[in-house]
Amino acid sequence: KNEVEQSPQNLTAQEGEFITINCSYSVGISALHWLQQHPGGGIVSLFMLSSGKKKHGRLIATINIQEKHSSLHITASHPRDSAVYICAVSSQGAQKLVFGQGTRLTINP
Amino acid sequence: DTGVSQNPRHKITKRGQNVTFRCDPISEHNRLYWYRQTLGQGPEFLTYFQNEAQLEKSRLLSDRFSAERPKGSFSTLEIQRTEQGDSAMYLCASSAWDGDDIQYFGAGTRLSVL
Repeated sequence: KNEVEQSPQNLTAQEGEFITINCSYSVGISALHWLQQHPGGGIVSLFMLSSGKKKHGRLIATINIQEKHSSLHITASHPRDSAVYICAVSSQGAQKLVFGQGTRLTINP
Repeated sequence: DTGVSQNPRHKITKRGQNVTFRCDPISEHNRLYWYRQTLGQGPEFLTYFQNEAQLEKSRLLSDRFSAERPKGSFSTLEIQRTEQGDSAMYLCASSAWDGDDIQYFGAGTRLSVL
């Protein structure tokens, strides 16, 4: 079993829909990261959080430390949000990131 | 722009050849990471430097792989005697130890071993 599991693996939605991507992890963490990867490889950090909730524009990330679960929400989705969204954790005492397998999101106009 | 730079962007090589990739991190970042990503998967950790010291290596990093960061600035990742299973995207990231420690990624080097 992977240390970081994401669901769903693929998600297709219509423009304007509310999107939720889930991430569960099995190790103790110092922080959880949500990243975005566009075709061609570039990875961009969206959020780093260790508790509670963060919001940036139409993106919201939440984490429940007790349940070892995080969600990434996108409100009013747009075709430009189409990308792979990756959850990653940094374990306690380590700097490396351990990644989930990613969620491929496609938003149709 | 002084983001993370990786060269080359693409490398095609024949099985058995040696290849070397370079990563130039953001200038004030003292932490540097190498990851490998195969198609449809999330990246996997390979190795990590703090300044010039290599502090952690994954068991994925076989003896054919070596990484250096000689002056605590740029880093190189060398793969000797390449195998078809080495075909992947090799990603470099850097972060600032005394900052938010968010990792900033380069665009990657895509390796194809024929």
